[in-house]
Amino acid sequence: GAGVSQSPSNKVTEKGKDVELRCDPISGHTALYWYRQSLGQGLEFLIYFQGNSAPDKSGLPSDRFSAERTGGSVSTLTIQRTQQEDSAVYLCASSLTGLGQRFYNEQFFGPGTRLTVL
Amino acid sequence: ELKVEQNPLFLSMQEGKNYTIYCNYSTTSDRLYWYRQDPGKSLESLFVLLSNGAVKQEGRLMASLDTKARLSTLHITAAVHDLSATYFCAVVHPSDNAGNMLTFGGGTRLMVKP
Repeated sequence: GAGVSQSPSNKVTEKGKDVELRCDPISGHTALYWYRQSLGQGLEFLIYFQGNSAPDKSGLPSDRFSAERTGGSVSTLTIQRTQQEDSAVYLCASSLTGLGQRFYNEQFFGPGTRLTVL
Repeated sequence: ELKVEQNPLFLSMQEGKNYTIYCNYSTTSDRLYWYRQDPGKSLESLFVLLSNGAVKQEGRLMASLDTKARLSTLHITAAVHDLSATYFCAVVHPSDNAGNMLTFGGGTRLMVKP
């Protein structure tokens, strides 16, 4: 079946502009995660959605970052007033559920969006 | 704060040789994942290790988990060029992490030379 999809695959923007990154999780997966992969920081957790519950935003690096998940499915990560240090690959992952332990928590990753801030 | 360390960070090896990648983590966890990433690609799930003493094998790769030592290993047997990639371990902190978010190691870049 279809995996996690993300768009755009590449985004080049100018410093100070806003950008929106989109993630379509695997159908039926209730948990959705955003991670960031950069040369300096490695792979970092950003935000987590579980169903219609309030998201866990504990990994967001600043208030310029926000995310929404509409209808428990598609998610959009928005970065306002982009800075050069925001340049990274933004990865989205989904799992059957994020609740409970051990089972059905395996995360499947999308291809990522490579963001370059000039 | 959960910290995950991998070593080595870079590994160049000849085809046919064996080697082990190590993943240490700082706080108790009973779930550990190994992922593979090819250049320019996303993360591909390799193994899910759910209990102390768990061992899983797929082809030339074998992963194990020792929760008491807070250590996982990824063993490569008779390496082939196709195994060249970056390998990440990732750990979930169980006690205060209801969302099962992953903390990743720094990755091990493996190059297998003919």
